[in-house]
Amino acid sequence: AQTVTQSQPEMSVQEAETVTLSCTYDTSESDYYLFWYKQPPSRQMILVIRQEAYKQQNATENRFSVNFQKAAKSFSLKISDSQLGDAAMYFCAYRSANRDDKIIFGKGTRLHILP
Amino acid sequence: DTGVSQDPRHKITKRGQNVTFRCDPISEHNRLYWYRQTLGQGPEFLTYFQNEAQLEKSRLLSDRFSAERPKGSFSTLEIQRTEQGDSAMYLCASSSTTWANTIYFGEGSWLTVV
Repeated sequence: AQTVTQSQPEMSVQEAETVTLSCTYDTSESDYYLFWYKQPPSRQMILVIRQEAYKQQNATENRFSVNFQKAAKSFSLKISDSQLGDAAMYFCAYRSANRDDKIIFGKGTRLHILP
Repeated sequence: DTGVSQDPRHKITKRGQNVTFRCDPISEHNRLYWYRQTLGQGPEFLTYFQNEAQLEKSRLLSDRFSAERPKGSFSTLEIQRTEQGDSAMYLCASSSTTWANTIYFGEGSWLTVV
């Protein structure tokens, strides 16, 4: 069974600085999708960024980028120029591309932005 | 398109009572998911529908839990004889066949069992 591990329960970063959130996963599949979701205090889960495993190029969305290391099964999220609105729980997630399936989430990392 | 909507947003119930949550997915989405989330944890998968067919159920979904999606549109999640351990956020999400690698979440329904 696939698993997703986030080893940092909490992190803090100074406003305008850069922070990297770590994620590792375990799977025997070669084709899959990886996601980072953000859950602010209002609680609605919002998609931040998505990566297809067959793509070597790391995904980027404005200030958010990933470092996808397929062989190492690592998928970290880098947030540049951190803003107060980035404070939230961040969840790394996995989904198989080979079958219609659920998304599996890690336990999350709570990110604090220090003014 | 107003996104995935869930009702009620908050529910407080006494132990032993039944509760029902409703989810309305994004209109063109044929897949619907239920997750449960407790404080400080990631969402845990409960069940999944494609149209009206329930395709997978987690072993987390005990006999007291039942989910339906009778016409392939909205879905309900019922919890019978609630227990304090059922207190959690129940999240609904949906996705489409053509963009199935991403699911979109509702704001969730908070359940507190007292």
